Amino acid sequence: QVQLQESGPGLVKPSETLSLTCSVSGGSITSDSWSWIRQPPGKGLDWIGYISDSGSTKYDPSLKSRVTISVDTSKNQLSLKLKSVTAADAAVYYCARLRTGLLWFGELPDWGQGTLVTVSS
Amino acid sequence: DIQMTQSPSSVSASVGDRVTISCRASQGISSWLAWYQQKPGKAPTLLIYAASSLQSGVPSRFSGSGSGTDFTLTISSLQPEDFATYFCQQANSFPPTFGGGTKVEIK
Repeated sequence: QVQLQESGPGLVKPSETLSLTCSVSGGSITSDSWSWIRQPPGKGLDWIGYISDSGSTKYDPSLKSRVTISVDTSKNQLSLKLKSVTAADAAVYYCARLRTGLLWFGELPDWGQGTLVTVSS
Repeated sequence: DIQMTQSPSSVSASVGDRVTISCRASQGISSWLAWYQQKPGKAPTLLIYAASSLQSGVPSRFSGSGSGTDFTLTISSLQPEDFATYFCQQANSFPPTFGGGTKVEIK
């Protein structure tokens, strides 16, 4: 079973870029698809986007203009960049392995512990 | 986007009770539905995938059913460690939307 660990600044100023990293152990990052999900405090889960094992990406339409997901294969890491953040972007951010199939999009069997990001000046 | 609606939003139950949580999709998603459990301060964990398949390591008191637009998660005999929030997720198409969650509380 893979292990995932998010890291990055816990505080980001409004209008700046949120940058997070997810370190993957117990498996190769090139062997699976990976996702970022966020959860505002006390609220539900929101999908941000994913990157496939072939390197293609897809983002939630509401965030598409501001988000970039990429992988660093040399470090076995996944990254998330979200530009021009506002208070609405404050949330716990999770990385997760996406288990996909030919006939269905997929589910998330492995998650990181999550990292809380606050947006404030 | 496919909207996922869970009911109830919360349920109070006792240890040993049978608990049923519903999830409805705004359009048909075949059997491509997953259920997750989330405890306070922790990441969600996958319980059920493909509507009724039990994820490895998950106790057999958890079961899922349904297809099309209506799905159910059942806990056959509630245990103390099952008090948590449960989310459904449609796994049929992008974006993979989640339900709003059902909190299972101690009665």
